[in-house]
Amino acid sequence: EPEVTQTPSHQVTQMGQEVILRCVPISNHLYFYWYRQILGQKVEFLVSFYNNEISEKSEIFDDQFSVERPDGSNFTLKIRSTKLEDSAMYFCASRLETGEDEKLFFGSGTQLSVL
Amino acid sequence: SQKIEQNSEALNIQEGKTATLTCNYTNYSPAYLQWYRQDPGRGPVFLLLIRENEKEKRKERLKVTFDTTLKQSLFHITASQPADSATYLCATIKAAGNKLTFGGGTRVLVKP
Repeated sequence: EPEVTQTPSHQVTQMGQEVILRCVPISNHLYFYWYRQILGQKVEFLVSFYNNEISEKSEIFDDQFSVERPDGSNFTLKIRSTKLEDSAMYFCASRLETGEDEKLFFGSGTQLSVL
Repeated sequence: SQKIEQNSEALNIQEGKTATLTCNYTNYSPAYLQWYRQDPGRGPVFLLLIRENEKEKRKERLKVTFDTTLKQSLFHITASQPADSATYLCATIKAAGNKLTFGGGTRVLVKP
């Protein structure tokens, strides 16, 4: 079965540094998402992306965050200046057009540790 | 604001019994509700979707109900097996929205 792939699986960075988390969504999917999960807490929505633009974002997704789909296959999340509280598991997800296939397919995540 | 809540207390159940999980939502009317399974350190995996005009959906040993009057969904795992041990998440989306909002999940532990 096709899957969403994320790299790296683990990322350690110093506070204030920029990080880029990478995702390759399923090839024929049209909607792309980033979620995060702080240890022991719920899966939180960050941003959704459709037709090469952000369609919705949460309060968490402030000016320090940005997303890009640079080449039609990759989908990236950039955090410009990381803070300690950005430490979390970041999940990329994708889905097909609306209809019966509204289910999201998630990647295995990138564990981000900010020191 | 919209809220979606699950019982945060872990559910310990004997193999072969039925596990029943609850998902309650407030302050909105979702177009549909989804259930996902999450294993430790992994991303959620889709299990079932039920629409607002459906009362019940089944898939193998899984059953989901949706009561829009009570604003509640129940998720049942029948004939539970140790391999069913995981955290189960419910998630909803508004009728005109794109964002899938997750509950906090309920951890299920099936003992042999």
